[in-house]
Amino acid sequence: DQQVKQNSPSLSVQEGRISILNCDYTNSMFDYFLWYKKYPAEGPTFLISISSIKDKNEDGRFTVFLNKSAKHLSLHIVPSQPGDSAVYFCAGSSGSRLTFGEGTQLTVNP
Amino acid sequence: DVKVTQSSRYLVKRTGEKVFLECVQDMDHENMFWYRQDPGLGLRLIYFSYDVKMKEKGDIPEGYSVSREKKERFSLILESASTNQTSMYLCASTLIWGGASVYGYTFGSGTRLTVV
Repeated sequence: DQQVKQNSPSLSVQEGRISILNCDYTNSMFDYFLWYKKYPAEGPTFLISISSIKDKNEDGRFTVFLNKSAKHLSLHIVPSQPGDSAVYFCAGSSGSRLTFGEGTQLTVNP
Repeated sequence: DVKVTQSSRYLVKRTGEKVFLECVQDMDHENMFWYRQDPGLGLRLIYFSYDVKMKEKGDIPEGYSVSREKKERFSLILESASTNQTSMYLCASTLIWGGASVYGYTFGSGTRLTVV
């Protein structure tokens, strides 16, 4: 049962443009949603989170949108930079237990 | 900054061997987790622990066990390694139950295990 799904394995964008990473979930009990970023040979690092009672959270270049009726969230990165190239995981939280999606490889081309 | 340290970056083991993966965190976190990362499957939870000597099964516990004798150390044990356990193993911790929702986990750098 894949509770969190990222349908795009990869995404390529030009430097300065917007990157939009998408995530769908099935578990209505998640109370928070989080995004993590992972570089090769490193552990994932926490990027941004959103409460299930909110529809938007913004932190600098990163904005997460939550559409509860569609059970869909997205991460917007504006403007994208080459250093943003990494694998991005979305996760749903229940207590302190996180359920992750498959990940999306973002490549930002100079 | 809290640090989560995994003892080995790369390991190569033979089928049938007993394998120990060690994880230590230095910020008195209550909760610790073991995940494996595989291409196309994301991060999957193997086991977690919310207190010393306490453990809970995650989504894929088969073939694994864990030990938490001290608060700062959480060990993952492969009782009899098999080739399908070749993977990247990631340890994580978080301060309080529910804290991960806002602050996230702190992950170690991972151990790339190859079973031959």
